[in-house]
Amino acid sequence: LAKTTQPISMDSYEGQEVNITCSHNNIATNDYITWYQQFPSQGPRFIIQGYKTKVTNEVASLFIPADRKSSTLSLPRVSLSDTAVYYCLVGDFRGGGFKTIFGAGTRLFVKA
Amino acid sequence: GAVVSQHPSWVICKSGTSVKIECRSLDFQATTMFWYRQFPKQSLMLMATSNEGSKATYEQGVEKDKFLINHASLTLSTLTVTSAHPEDSSFYICSPVGDMSTDTQYFGPGTRLTVL
Repeated sequence: LAKTTQPISMDSYEGQEVNITCSHNNIATNDYITWYQQFPSQGPRFIIQGYKTKVTNEVASLFIPADRKSSTLSLPRVSLSDTAVYYCLVGDFRGGGFKTIFGAGTRLFVKA
Repeated sequence: GAVVSQHPSWVICKSGTSVKIECRSLDFQATTMFWYRQFPKQSLMLMATSNEGSKATYEQGVEKDKFLINHASLTLSTLTVTSAHPEDSSFYICSPVGDMSTDTQYFGPGTRLTVL
């Protein structure tokens, strides 16, 4: 299982772009990279997933370099409601026997 | 995304009693169920993995006789905390997985257990 490393915490202000980078040096060929958001007393919520290059959806972008040993979650123009913990997960869900192991996550605090 | 429910959302019980937590996948069939536990200010910790119709596989350090998992159907799994103690107070989260080709894992809303 690929281990992930993220900054423990980040601070930002409303309206700014926030980039959270995750290191996953031993990512396997078939592994996907998935980011989740978690608010207190709630389950993790899926944000975005990618395999390589760039993926964009209505809430975020995910940048993955060619070597795939890291990835960056980009949140455009954050608001106070984006204050949460963000988890980067790496794994291959298609094969049998996978299990998702969470790292420590990044605690993002958005200030007014 | 997939719709997952947990019941109850929170429960308070006395020490020594058993508590059952239900997890349902409402719009897909879950062949695999993951159960996590999360203590305050900490990350999610995987407790066990179960496949429909078979016994659960527990992570190291998780007592299988204390945390009973039943995955009898493709839409329902239960976690029973037996003889609960205050140290079992935590946030329990399920994650049913169905279509293995989607590569996306969804999580339940969680159950807050407080043992007095």
